[in-house]
Amino acid sequence: GAGVSQSPSNKVTEKGKDVELRCDPISGHTALYWYRQSLGQGLEFLIYFQGNSAPDKSGLPSDRFSAERTGGSVSTLTIQRTQQEDSAVYLCASSLTSGETYEQYFGPGTRLTVT
Amino acid sequence: AQSVSQHNHHVILSEAASLELGCNYSYGGTVNLFWYVQYPGQHLQLLLKYFSGDPLVKGIKGFEAEFIKSKFSFNLRKPSVQWSDTAEYFCAVPGNTGKLIFGQGTTLQVKP
Repeated sequence: GAGVSQSPSNKVTEKGKDVELRCDPISGHTALYWYRQSLGQGLEFLIYFQGNSAPDKSGLPSDRFSAERTGGSVSTLTIQRTQQEDSAVYLCASSLTSGETYEQYFGPGTRLTVT
Repeated sequence: AQSVSQHNHHVILSEAASLELGCNYSYGGTVNLFWYVQYPGQHLQLLLKYFSGDPLVKGIKGFEAEFIKSKFSFNLRKPSVQWSDTAEYFCAVPGNTGKLIFGQGTTLQVKP
């Protein structure tokens, strides 16, 4: 079946602009995770959804970052007033449900470049 | 809090050489561990996982890892690497919500 998809695959934006990144998880997966992959910081957790709720937002780096999930499916990560340090690959993953033993399936990522 | 450390950041091997990538974790409770791989231009995918039971875990493409509790280690091994194993490898431990805490990653370059 279809895997996790993300759009856009690449996004170049000017500093100060807002961006929206989209994630379509695997159908039926109730848990959805956002991560960020950057050269200096490696792979970092940002936020996790179980259904439409976000019980863990501890990885969001600032209040410029927000995310929502609707219908227990698609999720959008929004970065307001982008800064150059936001440049990274943003990865989305989904799993059947939340928990330590459930495999996460990753999407291809969105490469964000802030100029 | 859980943490994961990978010792080798960049490894270069010739084809047919043996591989061992180090991973150490810091956590005192029940341990679940993962190795993920990211091939060039592809997305992260699961290589193997350990939850309990046999500490020697077999994964895809001939990879295996051994969980050694006394050493807090979960090293990844492959007896004979191929050029197609060139990739970045991540060790990870799940937090209580399932969020993954990754090591710094190891870039493996296999020379043909």
